[in-house]
Amino acid sequence: SQTIHQWPATLVQPVGSPLSLECTVEGTSNPNLYWYRQAAGRGLQLLFYSIGIDQISSEVPQNLSASRPQDRQFILSSKKLLLSDSGFYLCAWSVKGGISTEAFFGQGTRLTVV
Amino acid sequence: SQQGEEDPQALSIQEGENATMNCSYKTSINNLQWYRQNSGRGLVHLILIRSNEREKHSGRLRVTLDTSKKSSSLLITASRAADTASYFCALISSGSARQLTFGSGTQLTVLP
Repeated sequence: SQTIHQWPATLVQPVGSPLSLECTVEGTSNPNLYWYRQAAGRGLQLLFYSIGIDQISSEVPQNLSASRPQDRQFILSSKKLLLSDSGFYLCAWSVKGGISTEAFFGQGTRLTVV
Repeated sequence: SQQGEEDPQALSIQEGENATMNCSYKTSINNLQWYRQNSGRGLVHLILIRSNEREKHSGRLRVTLDTSKKSSSLLITASRAADTASYFCALISSGSARQLTFGSGTQLTVLP
């Protein structure tokens, strides 16, 4: 069966520090991968979307970047965190191809920038 | 905007009552999906309805889709306290590169 792992679950980082959040998927190959951010009590904002290794689309200009060094690994990074980067970050994957593709989510990372 | 928008933003009902949440969108879609999120957790897929379908059922869930009005509704019948969560509609627009975009959600509280 397929599983998605996202870590860490919580993170407190000072302003100006770097960030690296990792997400890995098991049990499937060549998935679509997503990074979302969710502000408190709000909906999900799509940050990055990837259809393959080194194929990443950025949905919004921001202080963050994403990389996909391996087929089932998706990394969210920042060189210098801002206070506004605080939020709940969710990684997700979906099966490539077809139109009936649900997304499977990790448990999220609560990031607090102080 | 491609994303759907849920209405109401918050809904509070008594256990046993039905809960109805609505989603409106602006683009053409391939399908529309509903997800549930417990507080501080990841999202869980509930149900998907294709653009050529009008209604779909799954247990106590009933989803309708009206592509002419660009709207969908999620009905939870005989609600339970455990249904308390945020509910989001999500869509993949026709012709787009398979991005799944979400609305801002409805916070449902079911009171015991």
